[in-house]
Amino acid sequence: DQQVKQNSPSLSVQEGRISILNCDYTNSMFDYFLWYKKYPAEGPTFLISISSIKDKNEDGRFTVFLNKSAKHLSLHIVPSQPGDSAVYFCAASPGGTGANSKLTFGKGITLSVRP
Amino acid sequence: DTAVSQTPKYLVTQMGNDKSIKCEQNLGHDTMYWYKQDSKKFLKIMFSYNNKELIINETVPNRFSPKSPDKAHLNLHINSLELGDSAVYFCASSQVRFPTNEKLFFGSGTQLSVL
Repeated sequence: DQQVKQNSPSLSVQEGRISILNCDYTNSMFDYFLWYKKYPAEGPTFLISISSIKDKNEDGRFTVFLNKSAKHLSLHIVPSQPGDSAVYFCAASPGGTGANSKLTFGKGITLSVRP
Repeated sequence: DTAVSQTPKYLVTQMGNDKSIKCEQNLGHDTMYWYKQDSKKFLKIMFSYNNKELIINETVPNRFSPKSPDKAHLNLHINSLELGDSAVYFCASSQVRFPTNEKLFFGSGTQLSVL
């Protein structure tokens, strides 16, 4: 049961252009969303997050948009740089403090930024 | 100084063997995790420990046994290894007990190959 879906396995963009990475979710209880970035042979590292009370969160070149009605979020990277080439994981959690309040990850999107 | 370190980085072994993966974090976090990334690339939580107490135990075969000697260490012991155990195993930590809106810090992963 894939509650967090990253349907496009890969994306290739030109340096300087915008990268848009999409993520869909099925669990309406999800309340908090995070993006992680992973380089080969390294663990995922936190990139940016958004709470369901917001529809946009920006951090430098990275912006995450949330559309709760569509159960969809996207990560925008502008401008894209070769160093952004990595696997990007979308993750979601329902909030709260119970044992069910764990992060559910998608399977990642491989972004390649061409010089 | 690596925040979350796990060893070994690569582990190649025969079916039926018993093996352990070690994890240590120097962030002073209270909670540690084991995640598994299988061939389909999903990152799935296996276990979570808070101050040496098991708080999340997903549906994982009981051949997998986590051990937390103190809150800075969480080891994973796997008995009677099977082919399907081949995956990348990530250790992670977080400050809070249920990090629904807080980032996780991941180790660089252990690539386990069962032959």
